[in-house]
Amino acid sequence: GAVVSQHPSRVICKSGTSVKIECRSLDFQATTMFWYRQFPKQSLMLMATSNEGSKATYEQGVEKDKFLINHASLTLSTLTVTSAHPEDSSFYICSARIASGSSYNEQFFGPGTRLTVL
Amino acid sequence: QKEVEQNSGPLSVPEGAIASLNCTYSDRGSQSFFWYRQYSGKSPELIMSIYSNGDKEDGRFTAQLNKASQYVSLLIRDSQPSDSATYLCAGQMDSSYKLIFGSGTRLLVRP
Repeated sequence: GAVVSQHPSRVICKSGTSVKIECRSLDFQATTMFWYRQFPKQSLMLMATSNEGSKATYEQGVEKDKFLINHASLTLSTLTVTSAHPEDSSFYICSARIASGSSYNEQFFGPGTRLTVL
Repeated sequence: QKEVEQNSGPLSVPEGAIASLNCTYSDRGSQSFFWYRQYSGKSPELIMSIYSNGDKEDGRFTAQLNKASQYVSLLIRDSQPSDSATYLCAGQMDSSYKLIFGSGTRLLVRP
């Protein structure tokens, strides 16, 4: 399968700081990437859809000014959690969609970023 | 509300048996379906994708899709303890390419 990386894998920060998470598709171009959040023992919750060169589309209830998404190239999307608070502590996972070829429309997930806000 | 439903389990099977995981979806217009495996503390890993009615086999895994019954299943043959994980069923419901995930079925394979 295709490879998606995320950085950092784990981050601990103080309340009020901002944290940037990078998501890269390593061996394919991804016009569409997705950002999810997962709390312990719960399923994935889609936060937003990130399209290269355009504004992200946020799911209902997700604050776009708090979770800033930038998809500047076909292989990189970033999620910035601004003014993080303890309730933002979660497992953040990106996925990237393959837009062509035999794996058309399949989505591959990055390894995730575990955020802890003190 | 477009939904994907899965039994949360756990589904417990002995090593070497066939594990059968099931999923139903609400939107009759859905086109694409995916099975992901997620180990505890890890991100989901794509196992199978299926787009048309019938069976699709890949190694020990077989995905089945029945659009008339709005039903997707995953069969795991010769189950191994390493298959113990949560299996997520996902459907693409519209042209936005967003996936709707089920809540997952936890599979336990007993040695």
